[in-house]
Amino acid sequence: DAKTTQPNSMESNEEEPVHLPCNHSTISGTDYIHWYRQLPSQGPEYVIHGLTSNVNNRMASLAIAEDRKSSTLILHRATLRDAAVYYCILRDYQETSGSRLTFGEGTQLTVNP
Amino acid sequence: ETGVTQSPTHLIKTRGQQVTLRCSSQSGHNTVSWYQQALGQGPQFIFQYYREEENGRGNFPPRFSGLQFPNYSSELNVNALELDDSALYLCASSPGGGHGYTFGSGTRLTVV
Repeated sequence: DAKTTQPNSMESNEEEPVHLPCNHSTISGTDYIHWYRQLPSQGPEYVIHGLTSNVNNRMASLAIAEDRKSSTLILHRATLRDAAVYYCILRDYQETSGSRLTFGEGTQLTVNP
Repeated sequence: ETGVTQSPTHLIKTRGQQVTLRCSSQSGHNTVSWYQQALGQGPQFIFQYYREEENGRGNFPPRFSGLQFPNYSSELNVNALELDDSALYLCASSPGGGHGYTFGSGTRLTVV
């Protein structure tokens, strides 16, 4: 499984933008870039995913480098409810490969009021 | 959408016993995965089912087994429970094709 590297922790202030980086230098051509977050005592929550182009949804934006070796999850205005562990994961879109989500350590995001 | 439902939410078992955990996948999702999450760690992949066939397995012994049913609901069975099996067990379903997974809230298993 291709690996990702994220900072262990980041801190932000409420209502400010947050940029969470992820490096994935060994990404393959069939890997999607997924982001999940996990709040305490809950299962992971899907945030966003993309392949090559930047993506936007109601939760966040995903900026993908042109060489796809890194990506950035952007929370446009952080709220206290965004405090969570954020995981950047590569997932092979070929279903027959038995693709899985390989969780690393993730980034613990702290949001200050 | 009904989301992913797991039962029970909490369970206490004795070492050596067997346990069955259940998962009801989100409507329209034909892929289900199971994960084990120890305290303070990220989830670890156990196995995945696609249209009732196991198509991926993580580094877990054979006493961890599963089933996926025609309605895409799923079971995780663990035999000969060990103390280290104490963890949060998560079920996740996906419509496939590289799309995201929807996770349940998990079953907290304690082995004493």
